[in-house]
Amino acid sequence: AQTVTQSQPEMSVQEAETVTLSCTYDTSESNYYLFWYKQPPSRQMILVIRQEAYKQQNATENRFSVNFQKAAKSFSLKISDSQLGDTAMYFCAFMKQSGGTSYGKLTFGQGTILTVHP
Amino acid sequence: GAGVSQSPRYKVTKRGQDVALRCDPISGHVSLYWYRQALGQGPEFLTYFNYEAQQDKSGLPNDRFSAERPEGSISTLTIQRTEQRDSAMYRCASSPIRPLLPHEQYFGPGTRLTVT
Repeated sequence: AQTVTQSQPEMSVQEAETVTLSCTYDTSESNYYLFWYKQPPSRQMILVIRQEAYKQQNATENRFSVNFQKAAKSFSLKISDSQLGDTAMYFCAFMKQSGGTSYGKLTFGQGTILTVHP
Repeated sequence: GAGVSQSPRYKVTKRGQDVALRCDPISGHVSLYWYRQALGQGPEFLTYFNYEAQQDKSGLPNDRFSAERPEGSISTLTIQRTEQRDSAMYRCASSPIRPLLPHEQYFGPGTRLTVT
């Protein structure tokens, strides 16, 4: 079974600054995907970024980037130029890959509440 | 286009009653997932379907929980003889199947279930 751990229950950052959210995971799988989801106060679940484990290059999406360290089983999310709208709970999630396609079950971490202050 | 929809959005029921939660996935999405999310926690997997076939129900907590997707589109999660510990947000997600790409899941707004 896979586990995902987010060790920072809460983080805060000033608007326009950079913040990094941590995530570690444990798995015996060699092929998998990792995701960061955002849950704002509206409680929607919004996909922020994904990373394929077989890719060495770190994924980036505009102001969001990841630092993926496969050997260390670490997958942190960096948010640059933080905006008030980034205030949300952020979840790290794991999905294993099997037979060339992904098996759809997501395993989530406990979440990190991020507050962006003006 | 339309996203994943769920109904009802809020449900309050008395302990011992049965409830049925509905999920309408994005049109054309083959896979459908159910998760349960306690307040302040991450979602926990319950079950998932490809088309009408239930592929994995390992996350269903006990036999009071069941799910179906008879025509490969709308799905219903049923909880029989509800208990207070069943109170949570129940989320549905759907995804297309794209070979060699991850099944990115699109989540619905959830049904907030309160058992009194």
